[in-house]
Amino acid sequence: GEDVEQSLFLSVREGDSSVINCTYTDSSSTYLYWYKQEPGAGLQLLTYIFSNMDMKQDQRLTVLLNKKDKHLSLRIADTQTGDSAIYFCAEKRDSSASKIIFGSGTRLSIRP
Amino acid sequence: KAGVTQTPRYLIKTRGQQVTLSCSPISGHRSVSWYQQTPGQGLQFLFEYFSETQRNKGNFPGRFSGRQFSNSRSEMNVSTLELGDSALYLCASSAAGTSGIDEQFFGPGTRLTVL
Repeated sequence: GEDVEQSLFLSVREGDSSVINCTYTDSSSTYLYWYKQEPGAGLQLLTYIFSNMDMKQDQRLTVLLNKKDKHLSLRIADTQTGDSAIYFCAEKRDSSASKIIFGSGTRLSIRP
Repeated sequence: KAGVTQTPRYLIKTRGQQVTLSCSPISGHRSVSWYQQTPGQGLQFLFEYFSETQRNKGNFPGRFSGRQFSNSRSEMNVSTLELGDSALYLCASSAAGTSGIDEQFFGPGTRLTVL
């Protein structure tokens, strides 16, 4: 994930909102994704946003995209202990190829 | 519908040996991608196979190779193992191929330890 950057750790209190940030490099990226990885498991697609959108909301999840700054964020409302995981930001750069570049992942931990 | 399966789940090898990992994609998926996950480097793209052809390749040395069979199952091979090859190797399959959101469905991974 050398070209997609995320902070490594985030700690929030249960019930608060979590905001995970990501910056990417390729302005021609078509889709941007958020994946979740729970301990001992593979990655699971949480949500995605098409590059011509600014915002996408899906239940407790809100994705914001700032194309000018190449900044993507994931907000999790009312964070629960089950949200503890590593969250990966990813971009699909080439619409003609199935190659997705992942960030290094942000480990989200929940405080009681 | 069964998910992506990877075998074996755990593997211990010594330096200089070679290893073969296997991935069975979701039925009907024709694209299989491989990733290496390490604490230091994060999740790095190895290569992607589509219809038995390597379509994309990441920046890994030639010791890392793969192939895909006519039933879309894929294998990844690492020769002359090095300590730095210790990692979780993830396989992902997708149906969309190139266009669309191209959601990748991940297997649980094979954890390779090189001693």
